[in-house]
Amino acid sequence: LAKTTQPISMDSYEGQEVNITCSHNNIATNDYITWYQQFPSQGPRFIIQGYKTKVTNEVASLFIPADRKSSTLSLPRVSLSDTAVYYCLVGDTPGTASKLTFGTGTRLQVTL
Amino acid sequence: DTEVTQTPKHLVMGMTNKKSLKCEQHMGHRAMYWYKQKAKKPPELMFVYSYEKLSINESVPSRFSPECPNSSLLNLHLHALQPEDSALYLCASSQDLDGAFFGQGTRLTVV
Repeated sequence: LAKTTQPISMDSYEGQEVNITCSHNNIATNDYITWYQQFPSQGPRFIIQGYKTKVTNEVASLFIPADRKSSTLSLPRVSLSDTAVYYCLVGDTPGTASKLTFGTGTRLQVTL
Repeated sequence: DTEVTQTPKHLVMGMTNKKSLKCEQHMGHRAMYWYKQKAKKPPELMFVYSYEKLSINESVPSRFSPECPNSSLLNLHLHALQPEDSALYLCASSQDLDGAFFGQGTRLTVV
């Protein structure tokens, strides 16, 4: 399984764009990259998933360079409610019973 | 229905008790998971079920016993737990490219 490395914490002001980068140097050909958000005492919530290039949905964008050894989660115009822990996961065959192994995560603190 | 429901939300049990955690989903997902999460740590994978069969056991002690009675239900039977087993226990399910859906967890305290 590809190991992921993320910054332990990040700070941002409300209204700014936040980019969280995840390093996954030994990602395999079949691996997808998935990001989750977790608030205290709640289960993680799926944010976005991608394989290569760029993926965008209503809450975030995911940028994956050609070598796929890293990925960047971009949160546009964050608000106080985006304060949470963000996890990057790498694994194959999404949706099947594969190992969903969480890394240490990035604790994002948004302030006024 | 895009929810994973876990019951109970909170559980306090003694070290000699036997209790069960329950997880239910009606999304038709065929993969279901149990995770354990300690405070300020990432979730740790415990078990994975695929089509109602145990496919992954992450060397979890036998005092934790999973069960998948049907495609919608996942149980975690607890027996002779230790205080260090106190944690948030999370259930999840997945099927396609929409990622895994997690329940809100059961906050377990072993006294």
